[in-house]
Amino acid sequence: EPEVTQTPSHQVTQMGQEVILRCVPISNHLYFYWYRQILGQKVEFLVSFYNNEISEKSEIFDDQFSVERPDGSNFTLKIRSTKLEDSAMYFCASSEGQWLNEQFFGPGTRLTVL
Amino acid sequence: AQSVTQLDSHVSVSEGTPVLLRCNYSSSYSPSLFWYVQHPNKGLQLLLKYTSAATLVKGINGFEAEFKKSETSFHLTKPSAHMSDAAEYFCVVSDLGAAGNKLTFGGGTRVLVKP
Repeated sequence: EPEVTQTPSHQVTQMGQEVILRCVPISNHLYFYWYRQILGQKVEFLVSFYNNEISEKSEIFDDQFSVERPDGSNFTLKIRSTKLEDSAMYFCASSEGQWLNEQFFGPGTRLTVL
Repeated sequence: AQSVTQLDSHVSVSEGTPVLLRCNYSSSYSPSLFWYVQHPNKGLQLLLKYTSAATLVKGINGFEAEFKKSETSFHLTKPSAHMSDAAEYFCVVSDLGAAGNKLTFGGGTRVLVKP
């Protein structure tokens, strides 16, 4: 069964460093998403991406964040200069279409900023 | 704006007894509602979804949920819990037509199943 994969499973970084979180969505999916969950808090939407551009982004997704689909398979989230409060579990998701289509989630990357 | 409240952060049941996970939502438009489950070290898996068809929705692994517009609720039930049901469950809303198809999550309910 096709699934969304994410690497690494756990990333530890120093404050101020750049990190790139990687995701491989399901191959025939066209819509891609990032969510995050800070420990003890709700899963929050960050950004959606379609046709090589951002469809929507939340207020969390400021200039420190960027997304890219560098080739036909990967979907990346970059945090330019990490802060302590960026420590969270980051989930990638993909869907075939919009709205009524299920979003398939990856297992997450746990980011720890020291 | 859309929001979701899961009324219980933890639920403990005995194997073979019913499970009830409560969820209330608010939505400006016609909502789509989902329940996702997350087992340890796994991604979020869709259990079931409501998209304005039948109000009683059946999902995988014997779970079902009933959409009640008058109560703005979408509670998840299962008649008989199994040990493998121990996981965290998320109630999720998406406004039909909302830009970007973003999902709004509840806080999650962690289910413990006792033998």
